[in-house]
Amino acid sequence: AIQMTQSPSSLSASVGDRVTITCRASQGIGNDVGWYQQKPGRAPKVLIYSASSLHSEVPSRFSASGSGTDFTLSISSLQPEDFATYYCLQDYNYPITFGGGTKVELK
Amino acid sequence: QVQLQESGPGLVKSSETLSLTCTVSGASINSGSFYWTWIRQSAGTGLEWIGRYHTFGNTYYNPSLKSRVTISVDTSKNQFSLRLTSMTAADTAVYYCARGYEKTGDRYFDFWGQGNLVTVSS
Repeated sequence: AIQMTQSPSSLSASVGDRVTITCRASQGIGNDVGWYQQKPGRAPKVLIYSASSLHSEVPSRFSASGSGTDFTLSISSLQPEDFATYYCLQDYNYPITFGGGTKVELK
Repeated sequence: QVQLQESGPGLVKSSETLSLTCTVSGASINSGSFYWTWIRQSAGTGLEWIGRYHTFGNTYYNPSLKSRVTISVDTSKNQFSLRLTSMTAADTAVYYCARGYEKTGDRYFDFWGQGNLVTVSS
């Protein structure tokens, strides 16, 4: 199975900060990466698909890029509702696998 | 509005079989644009994809669970189900059902159930 190594596992930031999360695949996966946000007690919510496509109704402060093995998710100006855990996933092949998550906390 | 709702036990004894059902409203399981997926989340292993069903395609399972897992569908009730045998403490997790969308190479999970916490007791 393809391994997705996500970093950092957690970070502290303030409202208005720019935040970047990275994900590295154990092999080349083209652009078959998605990013999800999860808040406590809730199911994950899709933010990004196909490495850089913003899902509908997701604010434009979220962006993502990458191809091959290295991928990033950025939040340009962190808002109070963005404090959550973020996960990458690869759907290049089965089994679909997830990164370990990045918890974004208030500094 | 599309909604998914898991139902099933919250407690399962070790070695027994887990059966969960996901009831879908607002979309048809027979639609060719979607696939129907089970994902679980535990503190120990994070998010883990279990498997998926597609009305026009094969059913895929995670090889780590393949010998124990079955996903089935009841189109008359617009439901899909998960069966996981020989449960152990390592299977304690929140189990989610989700709808996967796929078109022209774009894929994502756009609707999820609220999750069903399953605890395995010895």
